[in-house]
Amino acid sequence: DTEVTQTPKHLVMGMTNKKSLKCEQHMGHRAMYWYKQKAKKPPELMFVYSYEKLSINESVPSRFSPECPNSSLLNLHLHALQPEDSALYLCASGRQGRDGYTFGSGTRLTVV
Amino acid sequence: GENVEQHPSTLSVQEGDSAVIKCTYSDSASNYFPWYKQELGKRPQLIIDIRSNVGEKKDQRIAVTLNKTAKHFSLHITETQPEDSAVYFCAASNSGYALNFGKGTSLLVTP
Repeated sequence: DTEVTQTPKHLVMGMTNKKSLKCEQHMGHRAMYWYKQKAKKPPELMFVYSYEKLSINESVPSRFSPECPNSSLLNLHLHALQPEDSALYLCASGRQGRDGYTFGSGTRLTVV
Repeated sequence: GENVEQHPSTLSVQEGDSAVIKCTYSDSASNYFPWYKQELGKRPQLIIDIRSNVGEKKDQRIAVTLNKTAKHFSLHITETQPEDSAVYFCAASNSGYALNFGKGTSLLVTP
């Protein structure tokens, strides 16, 4: 299995909702990442997990809460988002320092 | 932190011509340089990468060159085809956890 699977593919949520994005990989990668990508912009790093521990938080607002339940799963919990948080959220995994990332297909999030 | 500059931001070539995209980086400790292709509405996909102990790498019509002294690296696409049309991102990393991306180049290959 050489895929990173993200669900859901699309999500529309209100500003008072709580939702979660999910990411799964079975490549044995021990580094997993959340990126946010706005249209016509590069991916912007949010969080890095290494061996299931949060190692980098790029000053992301607390309305985004990551979780790594095990070495194959990565979640992003969303609460009280703003319309400007609408974007493509990409999960990636990799063997840090060895290869490039493998990106998931992303969740296109719209906050209304 | 690392700053990656990418040029040009848009590039239009005719089918069969070559395309070159250039990136510079600021952190001399960076040692891993991947290139990603992102088609509209799709995920970024790794197309080629190079490490700092190598000056050039080729994969069919795609090549990447690295000049560590000048801290720049380039993507070369030969015999371009319409399906090469996409946004291309360069990135740099210090064998570390995260990639720093350039702002992207929108490549259009016209038949």
